Amino acid sequence: EDKVVQSPLSLVVHEGDTVTLNCSYEVTNFRSLLWYKQEKKAPTFLFMLTSSGIEKKSGRLSSILDKKELFSILNITATQTGDSAIYLCAVQGAGNTPLVFGKGTRLSVIA
Amino acid sequence: EAQVTQNPRYLITVTGKKLTVTCSQNMNHEYMSWYRQDPGLGLRQIYYSMNVEVTDKGDVPEGYKVSRKEKRNFPLILESPSPNQTSLYFCASSKSGIHSYTFGSGTRLTVV
Repeated sequence: EDKVVQSPLSLVVHEGDTVTLNCSYEVTNFRSLLWYKQEKKAPTFLFMLTSSGIEKKSGRLSSILDKKELFSILNITATQTGDSAIYLCAVQGAGNTPLVFGKGTRLSVIA
Repeated sequence: EAQVTQNPRYLITVTGKKLTVTCSQNMNHEYMSWYRQDPGLGLRQIYYSMNVEVTDKGDVPEGYKVSRKEKRNFPLILESPSPNQTSLYFCASSKSGIHSYTFGSGTRLTVV
């Protein structure tokens, strides 16, 4: 059974700190790993990773995938209060199998 | 604007009274899916559809039905809702099953 485990479950940091969120997975015939940010409503797409070692970057957020060790990290530098959200990791296996989500990491950034 | 639209946003109902949550997307996406999100359990898939007239069970399909008669719409039907179906529901769509999903704004359902 496909499985995604995120850690930590919850994290509180001060503005300006750098955080690293972890996602480990087990999936049959890995196709992609995705990160989403969920504030008060719908999850919004951040990154899709398919290849090991290639960093994806968007502003202060970056993510990288390790297909050998079966994990990904999401880094946020110089955190702001607007980064407070639940960050979701999801993986997809072969064919059109649905995304399997982890339980998320709740990040709170305090001023 | 490209979007997934769910209705209603909030719904309180009584046990056993049939209800439908609608989902519509305007992106001509083939793939649509329903998730429920519960504290401590994350997002769990209820049903998905890879194209018109093709639907499949996800991880937690019991107590739910779906239909995909046309590409843009994917309603979620609860024939006889029970309190354990109280949850936050999300509809999502994707160009195909292998692309990133676009989520609707969610429907918070309470069954009393």
